[in-house]
Amino acid sequence: EAAVTQSPRSKVAVTGGKVTLSCHQTNNHDYMYWYRQDTGHGLRLIHYSYVADSTEKGDIPDGYKASRPSQENFSLILELASLSQTAVYFCASRKYRDQDTQYFGPGTRLLVL
Amino acid sequence: GQQVQQSPASLVLQEGENAELQCSFSISTNQVQWFYQRPGGRLIGLSYIPGMKPTGKQTSSTVTKGRHSSLTISSSQTTDSGTYFCVLSILATGGNNKLTFGQGTVLSVIP
Repeated sequence: EAAVTQSPRSKVAVTGGKVTLSCHQTNNHDYMYWYRQDTGHGLRLIHYSYVADSTEKGDIPDGYKASRPSQENFSLILELASLSQTAVYFCASRKYRDQDTQYFGPGTRLLVL
Repeated sequence: GQQVQQSPASLVLQEGENAELQCSFSISTNQVQWFYQRPGGRLIGLSYIPGMKPTGKQTSSTVTKGRHSSLTISSSQTTDSGTYFCVLSILATGGNNKLTFGQGTVLSVIP
């Protein structure tokens, strides 16, 4: 099974502050994704990347930036955290050829006060 | 509206009982998957381990017809408790598929 790790596992941030969530995968996957999970909404795609140094917008990119400095690492950046960004954030990765098979990290629980 | 609708939203079973979780969707899809999430845990694709429950024991089946899919959980165990997501794989721009999640069904199995 793919190893996808996230840090921190939980974080409390203040409104207006900067937050960086990190994701690391060790299985040489090409694609990486960031999702957020809110109660009653399932998961929604924020940003994704299919190659290092390139990121793409997902369905709900507003208020978030992403960075893919290497194939193994993918960060989600909240430049000005807001209350509405309180959620659980999941990172996922997949191989190029496995279109439908994503492996998820354990999640980061973010609370913005 | 929601592209992927799951029902019921929540369900309580007595250990040993069976249940069928439903998923309806309004968009074309290449594939329907079911994911399981233990409370506070990561998501695991049920189809990645054919025939196996997240607990490691024999699971039930999924059936997909038209724009409807169902997941049957048989001989439920307390360790099956968690949230089950119906997930559609949709062709996105650039030829890459993206996953669209339903809102989940929260299953509680009590002893």
